[in-house]
Amino acid sequence: DSGVTQTPKHLITATGQRVTLRCSPRSGDLSVYWYQQSLDQGLQFLIQYYNGEERAKGNILERFSAQQFPDLHSELNLSSLELGDSALYFCASSRSSAGQGQETQYFGPGTRLLVL
Amino acid sequence: AQTVTQSQPEMSVQEAETVTLSCTYDTSESNYYLFWYKQPPSRQMILVIRQEAYKQQNATENRFSVNFQKAAKSFSLKISDSQLGDTAMYFCAFMKNFGNEKLTFGTGTRLTIIP
Repeated sequence: DSGVTQTPKHLITATGQRVTLRCSPRSGDLSVYWYQQSLDQGLQFLIQYYNGEERAKGNILERFSAQQFPDLHSELNLSSLELGDSALYFCASSRSSAGQGQETQYFGPGTRLLVL
Repeated sequence: AQTVTQSQPEMSVQEAETVTLSCTYDTSESNYYLFWYKQPPSRQMILVIRQEAYKQQNATENRFSVNFQKAAKSFSLKISDSQLGDTAMYFCAFMKNFGNEKLTFGTGTRLTIIP
């Protein structure tokens, strides 16, 4: 158990709908990262938050957005869903970027999204 | 942009044998981190080992060790005394140091341990 929690574990929805994925980082971790794992794109970085602020953006679609709350949990919002958004969405957390192991990212169990 | 290449899509080895998974990467950075993550059938991503680029000594974690060749930009993972529980996808990942901590992953190697 990494200490990172994600809910829900599974999500089945229809095209055009909107869903919210939730992540709670390990205790004491300030950074939260979101990754998408799909068959055709592999593991792709979406976005990073550090202590409530957006820190880095990857290949995140405009239909997707995220935020990190004062208690450091994070939510990833996916809207106008398409069939191609079906994937495993991971959240990861780390202490900081200061090295000495603090940069190491620990992953949650993932949310499996199926868009029908 | 950094790229990570894992040239072995699949490998298999007998239980108790040693296996080495290859990874090469491309970067112009001098300071960075490298990781191996394991993804068993449960799909959980589990950290196996990490290496700091400025450290010449190869990292070791129990039966897992790396061969880090900075000049060659190579970062291979050696699993000794392989066990059935080592069956998984293994991903090599790269992280820049400071300011951009996203992980860039390779495409993975599917490792099967044969009883």
